[in-house]
Amino acid sequence: AQSVTQLDSQVPVFEEAPVELRCNYSSSVSVYLFWYVQYPNQGLQLLLKYLSGSTLVKGINGFEAEFNKSQTSFHLRKPSVHISDTAEYFCAVSLSSGSARQLTFGSGTQLTVLP
Amino acid sequence: DTEVTQTPKHLVMGMTNKKSLKCEQHMGHRAMYWYKQKAKKPPELMFVYSYEKLSINESVPSRFSPECPNSSLLNLHLHALQPEDSALYLCASSQDRETGLATNEKLFFGSGTQLSVL
Repeated sequence: AQSVTQLDSQVPVFEEAPVELRCNYSSSVSVYLFWYVQYPNQGLQLLLKYLSGSTLVKGINGFEAEFNKSQTSFHLRKPSVHISDTAEYFCAVSLSSGSARQLTFGSGTQLTVLP
Repeated sequence: DTEVTQTPKHLVMGMTNKKSLKCEQHMGHRAMYWYKQKAKKPPELMFVYSYEKLSINESVPSRFSPECPNSSLLNLHLHALQPEDSALYLCASSQDRETGLATNEKLFFGSGTQLSVL
């Protein structure tokens, strides 16, 4: 079975500062990795995903993440955040079969961007 | 139209009530999902419908009863709920079956129904 750990439950950061949200996973087989964002009173929206190929993945809204197999990490980064980036961010992992049943979410990181 | 629409947005019900949550998508997706999300927690998969047939039931209590009348609609019928069932209920869809996440497909989520059971 796979698991996901998001090391920080809350990350406050000032506007225009860089941010990194950390995600580590555990799995004995190949996995696919995802980052979802959830704005207040909204459903989840896919930010980006890693399936294979280049380890640096670019997503929407200026976010990017880097897959590091040796460190089993998939950290999310943005060089300059905006107030509108305030949201809950979920890292998720899926077995290489891609089944939604195998999609495991981390516990989430609340990103709060301060003026 | 790339939306999953859920109604109602908010629902308050007593433990003896019967209510239904509705979900609709017009993207031609053939897999639809119900998730339950408690506050400050990740979503938990409840049910998956694939081609209008129930393909996954994650050991959900029978007081939750899903229904997929056609390929665009997904309902969740609620009866005799408990206060601990209060949560955000999210509907999602994906293009084809439940195995589509590996390619260019993704889960499209609705905004959810915030349910309070008194």
